[in-house]
Amino acid sequence: GQQLNQSPQSMFIQEGEDVSMNCTSSSIFNTWLWYKQDPGEGPVLLIALYKAGELTSNGRLTAQFGITRKDSFLNISASIPSDVGIYFCAGRASGTYKYIFGTGTRLKVLA
Amino acid sequence: DAGVTQSPTHLIKTRGQHVTLRCSPISGHKSVSWYQQVLGQGPQFIFQYYEKEERGRGNFPDRFSARQFPNYSSELNVNALLLGDSALYLCASSLTGESEQYFGPGTRLTVT
Repeated sequence: GQQLNQSPQSMFIQEGEDVSMNCTSSSIFNTWLWYKQDPGEGPVLLIALYKAGELTSNGRLTAQFGITRKDSFLNISASIPSDVGIYFCAGRASGTYKYIFGTGTRLKVLA
Repeated sequence: DAGVTQSPTHLIKTRGQHVTLRCSPISGHKSVSWYQQVLGQGPQFIFQYYEKEERGRGNFPDRFSARQFPNYSSELNVNALLLGDSALYLCASSLTGESEQYFGPGTRLTVT
């Protein structure tokens, strides 16, 4: 099935470090969503973006809607062990109702 | 407030059998979407329903069907199960379908 490209695929970081990840599409999107998923559970919505260039924060998380409307970025500041998990982006194009998900970025935090 | 609920939590079926999965959206939400997530991949869109009408369908065979009830809860049905149908089935609830989606805990289906 169709998936968006997320980078990096996985990363190990030290506790306290900042993390950056991105998501790219060949199509223009009207909405970007970012989720975190723990093993065996459903994805949890972190941030929703609706406008090109929009920058939105949720605690230590900041996400941006790329100005080309074909990409989005997620930053996590001062990572902590509970940030461990898989982060997914999801995008929706104008005139459609389905969200297309990314391949995921697996984050591992070393205490 | 209760979040999205799904039942059952886990299910084991044999090839060729039929399965029904259930979802109750967040109170006030009128749209339910179904996704399939196989191990190591992101969720794949199966269906979206809004006000009991199907609004979108992903690239899944006709063995997959769904419906939404007047109380906005939903069922996903899969006929003639194949081994490849083994996956985590996720239900997502949203106000309109275009707005942000909130996921339930999922139903883990194993086909043997």
